Amino acid sequence: LAKTTQPISMDSYEGQEVNITCSHNNIATNDYITWYQQFPSQGPRFIIQGYKTKVTNEVASLFIPADRKSSTLSLPRVSLSDTAVYYCLVARGGGNTGKLIFGQGTTLQVKP
Amino acid sequence: DADVTQTPRNRITKTGKRIMLECSQTKGHDRMYWYRQDPGLGLRLIYYSFDVKDINKGEISDGYSVSRQAQAKFSLSLESAIPNQTALYFCATSDFPLAGSQETQYFGPGTRLLVL
Repeated sequence: LAKTTQPISMDSYEGQEVNITCSHNNIATNDYITWYQQFPSQGPRFIIQGYKTKVTNEVASLFIPADRKSSTLSLPRVSLSDTAVYYCLVARGGGNTGKLIFGQGTTLQVKP
Repeated sequence: DADVTQTPRNRITKTGKRIMLECSQTKGHDRMYWYRQDPGLGLRLIYYSFDVKDINKGEISDGYSVSRQAQAKFSLSLESAIPNQTALYFCATSDFPLAGSQETQYFGPGTRLLVL
């Protein structure tokens, strides 16, 4: 499983766009990149997943450059309710590993 | 995810006691997991199961045991609780990932355990 590195914490203000970058230099060909969000006292929740280029859903966008050694989660116009811990995970797709490695994540604090 | 429930939500116990944490799911998933979360350490995998009667150790299984006797239920036991098992415990479920994707795990609300 590829190791990921992401900032421990970030601050933002309501209405701003937030970009959280994750490094995964040892990503393998079959690995996918997934982001989860965790609010205090709740379990993590899937946000978005991608393999390459750009993926967008109703919550966020995920940008993955051609070399796939990093990825950037983009949250448009954040609100106070986006304050949470965001985890970047890299794991093999379509396989039987079943093992997701959650690191420390990035604690995003959105201020009014 | 409301389809994944955990009981109890909070538990205080004493050192040496045996306790069981229960997880139930209505998602029809085959895969179930137990994690613990400590402040500043993210989530660590304790045990996981890909099917009824299938049990696999995670990275921190010592001091824990599990039981998977039905698809919908996965129980975590602490045979003799110790204070450093004080943590937040999460159950999660997933289905076998489709080709071209990675599995998505759905987490329960967590059980906060305090061992005195």
